[in-house]
Amino acid sequence: DAGVTQSPTHLIKTRGQQVTLRCSPKSGHDTVSWYQQALGQGPQFIFQYYEEEERQRGNFPDRFSGHQFPNYSSELNVNALLLGDSALYLCASSLSGSYNSPLHFGNGTRLTVT
Amino acid sequence: QQPVQSPQAVILREGEDAVINCSSSKALYSVHWYRQKHGEAPVFLMILLKGGEQKGHEKISASFNEKKQQSSLYLTASQLSYSGTYFCGTEPTSTGFQKLVFGTGTRLLVSP
Repeated sequence: DAGVTQSPTHLIKTRGQQVTLRCSPKSGHDTVSWYQQALGQGPQFIFQYYEEEERQRGNFPDRFSGHQFPNYSSELNVNALLLGDSALYLCASSLSGSYNSPLHFGNGTRLTVT
Repeated sequence: QQPVQSPQAVILREGEDAVINCSSSKALYSVHWYRQKHGEAPVFLMILLKGGEQKGHEKISASFNEKKQQSSLYLTASQLSYSGTYFCGTEPTSTGFQKLVFGTGTRLLVSP
């Protein structure tokens, strides 16, 4: 049973560029959430996708956008990269409508903006 | 509002016990606990729902005091594998969305 997979594992970009990160959820899960984790901090919620729509959004600017595909996989796009966007980006999948459904995290994509 | 975890860090010898606390200034519906090892994904430990339920997982258990908006994670007879950073994630309402607000984490190091 494949868990949550994310690609790429590492990425180096220049300020002002755009980046796309990808996530495949755990088998059987239909909801994908994205979190940003700065060094030494807890993960911060970016947004959540369910039925190909953004269902919840955290306190992140519009430069952060996403997409969910019919197979439940998801992408996170960040435009006009800033140095402060350097972080570990975690994708987490879960089963919608279940209050006891835990989040299953991928190993993340380490983004470095220079 | 980000929950506050205490202590920020703790060092134990194998076999010792530890308690990690998570406090919120907001009313909570649920508290989730995760452990993250360096360079790895956070791994789910347990969920506690409103109602003061105490849950256990091997030698790790937790409690949730909804009146105080606090949760505590109890690690008994610690093992080397318990080393990592522990995060609590909180939900203010029962949306079923698992939109978690994570604390800043507690670093635990278990030495032989």
